[in-house]
Parts: sequence; structure tokens; C-alpha cells
Amino acid sequence: DAKTTQPPSMDCAEGRAANLPCNHSTISGNEYVYWYRQIHSQGPQYIIHGLKNNETNEMASLIITEDRKSSTLILPHATLRDTAVYYCIVRVRNNNAGNMLTFGGGTRLMVKP
Amino acid sequence: EPEVTQTPSHQVTQMGQEVILRCVPISNHLYFYWYRQILGQKVEFLVSFYNNEISEKSEIFDDQFSVERPDGSNFTLKIRSTKLEDSAMYFCASRAGTGGINEQFFGPGTRLTVL
Repeated sequence: DAKTTQPPSMDCAEGRAANLPCNHSTISGNEYVYWYRQIHSQGPQYIIHGLKNNETNEMASLIITEDRKSSTLILPHATLRDTAVYYCIVRVRNNNAGNMLTFGGGTRLMVKP
Repeated sequence: EPEVTQTPSHQVTQMGQEVILRCVPISNHLYFYWYRQILGQKVEFLVSFYNNEISEKSEIFDDQFSVERPDGSNFTLKIRSTKLEDSAMYFCASRAGTGGINEQFFGPGTRLTVL
């Protein structure tokens, strides 16, 4: 799986958009970008994933650059409950029996009132 | 909304004792996983399980560890002889394997403390 680089921490004001960057310059053509988050001491939570097109769901938007070497997770209106560690993971998406996730250090997002 | 559940939420044991951590994956999911997170460290993959057999395991998952799906609903992780360094949060996850959002859904975790 390609390596990802994320800032260790970020702050965001409540109600504002949180933009979390991720660099994955060695991503290969069949690798997807996944985002998970982990709210303090809880299990990781799936947020969104994408291959090359921008994606949006009820939780967030994912913007992937045209060269796919970086991406940004956008929480459009951050709330205090969005305070968590956000993980960007790049891997092949398949239905093999393995499909393990490799978590890095992530970005610790602190949403402040 | 269906969710993965884990019991107990906190387990305290003496070094050398056996522990069994239990998980109930989401109904109809086919793929099951265990991860662990030592306090202050990254989430680490331990093992994946499909069709009643281990499909992948990490270096951490040595002979002291075993997994089992004893019935149609439970998925267990057994540590035969616990060590101090086994103290961690243990997360179970499951994945559908077909259609829909085919991603891993995690349980709330079991905090294992080895004294």
C-alpha cells in the first residue's frame, strides 16, 4: 500500500469547514483513498473513499487532485463531536479475504467553540 | 443501524492467564477482523477471518493468539497466556463482502489490562 503523509494536528472553529490534507505521491493506479476517523478511545469509523473523482456523502466530501498525489477531506460544518483523529489510508480495493487496513498516525483535529 | 458489539468493555487479568474477547459482527457480514491499539500508539492489524479460516495475519498474531467463530453470530479472540505487553484496546471489525458499503465497521473495543 502507498504511504500517506498527514499533518499531526489541526484546529478548526466550530461551524466552519475543516479541510484535512493528505499526501500520497506514490499512489498507484488501482489504489483508492480511504478516510477513517477515531473519536477518543472508540473504534475507527469509516467516512468515505474515492479513486479519482470527488466524492460526497452525508458525513464529508473527498477532493482528489487530478494527478491523485494528494487529497483533502472536507467536513463542511465542523461540530465539537467531529474532534477526532482522522486517518488517510491508500490501498487497493478488492473483495479479497484479507483487506487489512494499515493505520498511520493520522491528523488530530480539534474543533473549538 | 446495525453495529458491531464487543464484550466485555474492560477486562483485567493477571499475567499468564487466558482471556477471550468476544465480538458480535454485523449480521450477514462475511469478513471479520481483529485490530489492537496500545495506549498512545497506532491501530495495528492482527488477523482477518473468512469462511471459517484465517485469511491474513500480522507478525503480532503469534501462537499465543487464536480466533474462532463458534456459532453463527460470535467471533472471538483468545490470548492463551497473557503478557504485560498485551495490554491494549482490542477492536473487532466486520465487512459485508458484497454490495453496498463494503467497508470495515468497527466495534467499540475491549480494553485489556494485564497486571
